[in-house]
Parts: sequence; structure tokens; C-alpha cells
Amino acid sequence: QVQLVQSGAEMKMPGASVRVSCKASGYTLTNYGISWVRQAPGQGLEWTGWIDPFNGNTMYPPKLQGRVTMTTDTSTSTAYLELRSLRSDDTAVYYCARGLGTTTMLEYWGQGTLVTVSS
Amino acid sequence: DIQMTQSPSAISASIGDRVTITCRASQGITNSLVWFQQKPGKVPKRLVFAASSLQSGVPSRFSGSGSGTEFTLTISSLQPEDFATYHCLQHHSYPWTFGQGTKVEIK
Repeated sequence: QVQLVQSGAEMKMPGASVRVSCKASGYTLTNYGISWVRQAPGQGLEWTGWIDPFNGNTMYPPKLQGRVTMTTDTSTSTAYLELRSLRSDDTAVYYCARGLGTTTMLEYWGQGTLVTVSS
Repeated sequence: DIQMTQSPSAISASIGDRVTITCRASQGITNSLVWFQQKPGKVPKRLVFAASSLQSGVPSRFSGSGSGTEFTLTISSLQPEDFATYHCLQHHSYPWTFGQGTKVEIK
């Protein structure tokens, strides 16, 4: 069955970088895009970008452009989110989710990774 | 950016009630809308995609409708396991945007 398993919680200082991983199983990574969505404590969901593992194409929201990079390693079926120059308002649970097409859009989700930015 | 406005932001309802949640887009998004259910501390779960297509395994009491700028998620007869927060997402234009969420609480 399809599973997305994310790396563990991270605590970072302001200005640091964080990399969150999302290991896919039960399907071929290159067959579906991966989006990342974050949720600050007590807040709603926020789309943070997507990557197409087939060709490496990415799309990021303007508010994160320049600070976020999404990559994949097809040899390990793993997607990565890197966020740099962390600020306190980046504190959130970060989710990876599979699917970019109309019928597959965000159908399967990882369990989430809490990233805490605090001095 | 397309703004997605959900209403109400919270609703108190009883078991068996019919509940309707609305998501209004600031500009037309055809049918590029997804509904999610999220319980406290849990991962969002997809309920409806393409505005009105029910996710496999989701009870038929859930239904989605709409196109263009106005969309609704209806729960025909609220069950205890339906108390949760519901989110809509538009993926018609970048950046993709979510509504602020609607919390369905027990009356």
C-alpha cells in the first residue's frame, strides 16, 4: 500500500536551515508528484510547493521563493524539503503529500514533521 | 493570489443534522477544488476531489458540489466521527491556496 514516511521532529535556531525527508513506498516515486503543505500551531493549511520527481520540475509560492528547495532521490524513493533562513513563523508541522493531477491531488499524506524555530 | 473564503468558520451541530460548508473563491477556479477532513492531531484526509468526486472509501453522506467560484461540502446526516475541521484547497492557479478551515463541533 502507498506510504509516505517522514523524518522526525526538528528544533532549529532562527537563521538556520532544515531538511525534512519523505520516503515513499508502495509505488514508483517518479509516477506522481509530491507536494509539501505546512500547518502552524492552531492554524490552517498552507501549500509550500511541489516537485515532479520524473523531471525535477518544481513550483514554489512567492512567499517562500528563495528560501525553499525541493529535491528527490529516486534511488531511495525519497523527497526532500529544505527551508533556509528559518524564522519563528516557519514553526509548523510540515506534511508531504502525493499527487498533482486532478484525480490524484494530495490523495496520500505523510505523518507530518514538526519543525520548531526558536532561540 | 486566489482567496478561498470558507463559511462558517465554526458550526455547532447535532448527530443526524445536515451540515453544509461553503468555500468561495475570489475568482473562477473551474472545478479545481479539493475538500479535506482533519481531526485534532491527525493528518488531513481527502474527502472530495474535482469539486464533486467522492474519494474511494468515504461514506456517501459526504458530497461536494459547485463550479467556478462557489463550492459546498454537505454532510447529509452528521455522525459522531464527523466532528473535525474541514479545509478546501484550490489548485487552479498558483499559489495554491486553502480556505481557513471550518470546525464542526458537537452541539
